[in-house]
Amino acid sequence: DVKVTQSSRYLVKRTGEKVFLECVQDMDHENMFWYRQDPGLGLRLIYFSYDVKMKEKGDIPEGYSVSREKKERFSLILESASTNQTSMYLCAITSPGTARETQYFGPGTRLLVL
Amino acid sequence: SQQGEEDPQALSIQEGENATMNCSYKTSINNLQWYRQNSGRGLVHLILIRSNEREKHSGRLRVTLDTSKKSSSLLITASREADTASYFCATARPSNDYKLSFGAGTTVTVRA
Repeated sequence: DVKVTQSSRYLVKRTGEKVFLECVQDMDHENMFWYRQDPGLGLRLIYFSYDVKMKEKGDIPEGYSVSREKKERFSLILESASTNQTSMYLCAITSPGTARETQYFGPGTRLLVL
Repeated sequence: SQQGEEDPQALSIQEGENATMNCSYKTSINNLQWYRQNSGRGLVHLILIRSNEREKHSGRLRVTLDTSKKSSSLLITASREADTASYFCATARPSNDYKLSFGAGTTVTVRA
């Protein structure tokens, strides 16, 4: 079974803080994704990574950066958290082989920025 | 950018009834996928249908795809309380099939 874990289920931060959200996979998957989910807007892609140290911007990268130093770990960084970054953050991976279009999601991190 | 749009936004049905939800999209696709999300959790993949397929089944799920109308439907037959969840369609474009565009979802409530 594919397993995707996220470092926190709930997080409360103050405006201006630097926030790290971490995603860890237990298999040798190349593609990893960060989304944010807001009511009425569905999931929007922030960044994705297709290999170690490789990254590509998604649809809403502003205010975020990412880091992928090891294949199993993909971090989302909010350089200076703002209240409009209060959201549910979801990490996903794709599996190599025939099911590579399918995405497997972590449980999500609900972030509140005060 | 949001490619798929689900309809209706919310659906409430009695246990045992069928639930149907629709997804429309704007541009050409490689495949279309449906995901389920239970309250406050991550998404779970349900089914994938490719652009050259018209219908696919998986257990109590039936998905259709009409590329001429750029639309898809998901039917859940004989619904159960455990089917209460939000359902999302996601499209993969021909140029980049590992990036998905998700719709806003349909929230389904199955009453006992």
